[in-house]
Amino acid sequence: ELKVEQNPLFLSMQEGKNYTIYCNYSTTSDRLYWYRQDPGKSLESLFVLLSNGAVKQEGRLMASLDTKARLSTLHITAAVHDLSATYFCAVTSGTYKYIFGTGTRLKVLA
Amino acid sequence: GAGVSQTPSNKVTEKGKYVELRCDPISGHTALYWYRQSLGQGPEFLIYFQGTGAADDSGLPNDRFFAVRPEGSVSTLKIQRTERGDSAVYLCASSSGRGNTEAFFGQGTRLTVV
Repeated sequence: ELKVEQNPLFLSMQEGKNYTIYCNYSTTSDRLYWYRQDPGKSLESLFVLLSNGAVKQEGRLMASLDTKARLSTLHITAAVHDLSATYFCAVTSGTYKYIFGTGTRLKVLA
Repeated sequence: GAGVSQTPSNKVTEKGKYVELRCDPISGHTALYWYRQSLGQGPEFLIYFQGTGAADDSGLPNDRFFAVRPEGSVSTLKIQRTERGDSAVYLCASSSGRGNTEAFFGQGTRLTVV
């Protein structure tokens, strides 16, 4: 059974600091996704990672994938308050079923 | 529409009642998914449609839950004899289903069973 774990579950950080969120999954999967969710809102797609060594960047966020280690990271550079949200990683099992991690609740303090 | 649309956005119902939740996927998307998100948790898979048929309903928790997609577009999630434990946000997502499995999520329906 495919399982996805994220850590940390909660992250409180100062503006301007850097930090990394980790996503581990238990078995081989096709793709890895990162989503952002604001309170009371739906999931916003951030990144889709398809292959080993894939790296994608958007603004202050950078995601990478190591399929051999079954690990993805979401790195935050020089955090700003607007990045406060819950971040989920998800992997696909087969071609359609998304298995989500428990999420990382990020709070950026001014 | 431009995105996945779900109605209602909020639903409060009494224990034991029947509810229907509606999802309008992105136009042209053949794949449709229902997920359930409990407070503080990640979304959990319920059911997946490819066209009109339920290709995988392994995530439905019990036979009180049922979903249809009769014309391959709009889908309805039906819950009979609701229980307080059914309270959650029900998310719908769709994807093109043509080699690109990236799913786009609706805003969800928050179901509260009192």
